[in-house]
Amino acid sequence: DTAVSQTPKYLVTQMGNDKSIKCEQNLGHDTMYWYKQDSKKFLKIMFSYNNKELIINETVPNRFSPKSPDKAHLNLHINSLELGDSAVYFCASSFRNGNTIYFGEGSWLTVV
Amino acid sequence: AQTVTQSQPEMSVQEAETVTLSCTYDTSESDYYLFWYKQPPSRQMILVIRQEAYKQQNATENRFSVNFQKAAKSFSLKISDSQLGDAAMYFCAYRNQFSGTYKYIFGTGTRLKVLA
Repeated sequence: DTAVSQTPKYLVTQMGNDKSIKCEQNLGHDTMYWYKQDSKKFLKIMFSYNNKELIINETVPNRFSPKSPDKAHLNLHINSLELGDSAVYFCASSFRNGNTIYFGEGSWLTVV
Repeated sequence: AQTVTQSQPEMSVQEAETVTLSCTYDTSESDYYLFWYKQPPSRQMILVIRQEAYKQQNATENRFSVNFQKAAKSFSLKISDSQLGDAAMYFCAYRNQFSGTYKYIFGTGTRLKVLA
């Protein structure tokens, strides 16, 4: 069973489009995250939710909107996609006061 | 703000040899966790080893061990008997234990090449 699963794994889309990436975890964790890994492999946190409440919101364009319908799901919607949005987006989860973060396999977004 | 620095963008090691990857961090907290994650070409992020700051004993996991120097804020990863499957990006990470939003902060990574 996949602990943290995200879909789609690969996404190629044109500039200006709107797209969503979905994430689900079956670990019973109460906290979920979105990280962005750019072409230089730098892994940077974007958002974090704890029990559906936004607790981390880094400096991210407001074209990016996370949504957490319940504590097992955290989706990422991106409006008006730009070339610079091309990256691998990782979903992750943990207990808020736990000591390990578990990652999904990543969603590779290419904007053309 | 906490930061994590990996000063070695790339390292190479001969198969069966030992290699050490460096990591330093900056924090004013006394309790925290430190991690090493491995990212092979598949892009999956895999936990290699974890260290609790309050523990003086260095963590070990089979061929992987750390040298945790709390006063120096240093957390290096030693890989013994290197194998071809160890080739990957390695990320050092930090997380507060008690305060703040429990954000995991990652270094910029070290690419490890294993030579046959």
